[in-house]
Amino acid sequence: TQLLEQSPQFLSIQEGENLTVYCNSSSVFSSLQWYRQEPGEGPVLLVTVVTGGEVKKLKRLTFQFGDARKDSSLHITAAQPGDTGLYLCAGGGSTLGRLYFGRGTQLTVWP
Amino acid sequence: EADIYQTPRYLVIGTGKKITLECSQTMGHDKMYWYQQDPGMELHLIHYSYGVNSTEKGDLSSESTVSRIRTEHFPLTLESARPSHTSQYLCASSATWVPTEAFFGQGTRLTVV
Repeated sequence: TQLLEQSPQFLSIQEGENLTVYCNSSSVFSSLQWYRQEPGEGPVLLVTVVTGGEVKKLKRLTFQFGDARKDSSLHITAAQPGDTGLYLCAGGGSTLGRLYFGRGTQLTVWP
Repeated sequence: EADIYQTPRYLVIGTGKKITLECSQTMGHDKMYWYQQDPGMELHLIHYSYGVNSTEKGDLSSESTVSRIRTEHFPLTLESARPSHTSQYLCASSATWVPTEAFFGQGTRLTVV
């Protein structure tokens, strides 16, 4: 059973388009992270959200944590080929500091 | 810039060989993790450690073993490699405080022939 469900699993778009990917769970998390992973590399942390309803912006990326701290979304404005990668969400609980990863959304942005 | 290093980056080895994948971090993090990942697929936690002399098995059953004798070092060992062990192995670390934020190494791509 997957604790965090990410959708869509695959997304292929043209440069300049906007997109939103989702990370949903039936569990409450004390924090949620988004990572981006490029082929052959380890995931790189993009953002951490900790407060229900929190919105964080990182240039063209907007991250939102749900009010109930069970879900999150990542919105990319005017996608660029450099945004291509595997986007992973991870939920953190207070117990022992474990992170639970979703399966990821594979994003491809074509020029 | 996260300081966590994995060696080797790539390894091709024959069936039955013993291998050790190295992972070191210079951030003083107490928590360290090993994940297994097939290309473009989800991460599977196979081992983790909360500090020196602490090791636990993760969610995915693995024939590998780990040790944590020093805070900065968390090697993973396969006593007898098999083709089914072919995968990417990612090491990560995190600080003790919450929220937990993981810093990953670049990974070791293992191929067992």
